[in-house]
Amino acid sequence: AQTVTQSQPEMSVQEAETVTLSCTYDTSESDYYLFWYKQPPSRQMILVIRQEAYKQQNATENRFSVNFQKAAKSFSLKISDSQLGDAAMYFCALISNFGNEKLTFGTGTRLTIIP
Amino acid sequence: DGGITQSPKYLFRKEGQNVTLSCEQNLNHDAMYWYRQDPGQGLRLIYYSQIVNDFQKGDIAEGYSVSREKKESFPLTVTSAQKNPTAFYLCASRQAVTGSPLHFGNGTRLTVT
Repeated sequence: AQTVTQSQPEMSVQEAETVTLSCTYDTSESDYYLFWYKQPPSRQMILVIRQEAYKQQNATENRFSVNFQKAAKSFSLKISDSQLGDAAMYFCALISNFGNEKLTFGTGTRLTIIP
Repeated sequence: DGGITQSPKYLFRKEGQNVTLSCEQNLNHDAMYWYRQDPGQGLRLIYYSQIVNDFQKGDIAEGYSVSREKKESFPLTVTSAQKNPTAFYLCASRQAVTGSPLHFGNGTRLTVT
């Protein structure tokens, strides 16, 4: 079984500052993908960033970057220059490349941006 | 534009009635999924289907049923056996390619009283 844990139910950050959201996971597979999804108040799920476990280089997408520590099974999301539009629930998710096609989600972190 | 359509956005039912949530995609994706979202519990997988006429139970399948007669469609029936059906339901799809992400619909909020 695979699990994803987000230990921060809520976080807040001042506008224009940097914030890091934590995620840890557990899987018996050696090859898998990790994702961060954003869910704004509209409740539409939006893909933020994707990381393949085989790649050591951390993924980046504009102001969003990850710190992927495979040995520690940690996958944190860093948001730089936070903007009001970043306010949302953020979910970490994991899918293994073999066997079932289940994408497992964490319980989410609610991010508030303080103007 | 391609996407996933869930209808209706809000659904109200009386306790004891079955209700079917619609999910249609025109992305030509092979795999489709149903998730349930409750406050503080993230997204929990109900059912998923990797190919037409085949589907597998997720983590919380009890009280739900699905069908996959067409590639584009994956309706979810919430039966009267589901003890706590009031929730936000999300449908998603993805290509059957390693590492491909889920694409989500806008969700259906089901309220059962």
